[in-house]
Amino acid sequence: DQQVKQNSPSLSVQEGRISILNCDYTNSMFDYFLWYKKYPAEGPTFLISISSIKDKNEDGRFTVFLNKSAKHLSLHIVPSQPGDSAVYFCAATVYTGANSKLTFGKGITLSVRP
Amino acid sequence: EAQVTQNPRYLITVTGKKLTVTCSQNMNHEYMSWYRQDPGLGLRQIYYSMNVEVTDKGDVPEGYKVSRKEKRNFPLILESPSPNQTSLYFCASSAGLAGLPRYEQYFGPGTRLTVT
Repeated sequence: DQQVKQNSPSLSVQEGRISILNCDYTNSMFDYFLWYKKYPAEGPTFLISISSIKDKNEDGRFTVFLNKSAKHLSLHIVPSQPGDSAVYFCAATVYTGANSKLTFGKGITLSVRP
Repeated sequence: EAQVTQNPRYLITVTGKKLTVTCSQNMNHEYMSWYRQDPGLGLRQIYYSMNVEVTDKGDVPEGYKVSRKEKRNFPLILESPSPNQTSLYFCASSAGLAGLPRYEQYFGPGTRLTVT
């Protein structure tokens, strides 16, 4: 059972435009969410996170929005740059869980066209 | 430079031949974890360790062993590898706070394992 779903496997946008990457989750216990970016032949790198007590968190060109009632979060990248082309993983966790493990989605491949 | 290192980066082996993938971090992190990445399945946790001598199973622990004798090292052991363990493996670490890991995990570069 996929608890974190990234239903769109890929997204292509023009440089300078907005990229919106979506993520849905089913486990209502999740209260902390993260986005990771992964380039080929490298490990994932942390991008941005959000706690369930917030509905928005911003870091430069990256903003994550959380809609708890819909169990949905999205990552906005504005403006998109060719260097943003990568696989983006959404992850979720229970902040005070004994394991505190991250549950990842399958990833979305973002391509930013020059 | 703060980093997580894994060795080897690529490995081709045969069924049943024991192997170890090493993982080391230089950030004095308490929490370490192993993931595997498979097409269409994302990243799945194999084992994790909250601190030295403390390890526990993740979502897909079957066929794997780990040990945490030192804070910086967290090797992944496949006692008898099988073809279904062909995958891309990532080690990760994060700073702990009062026993709880921070979630901004640092990942190693990955080890691509092929078992024939």
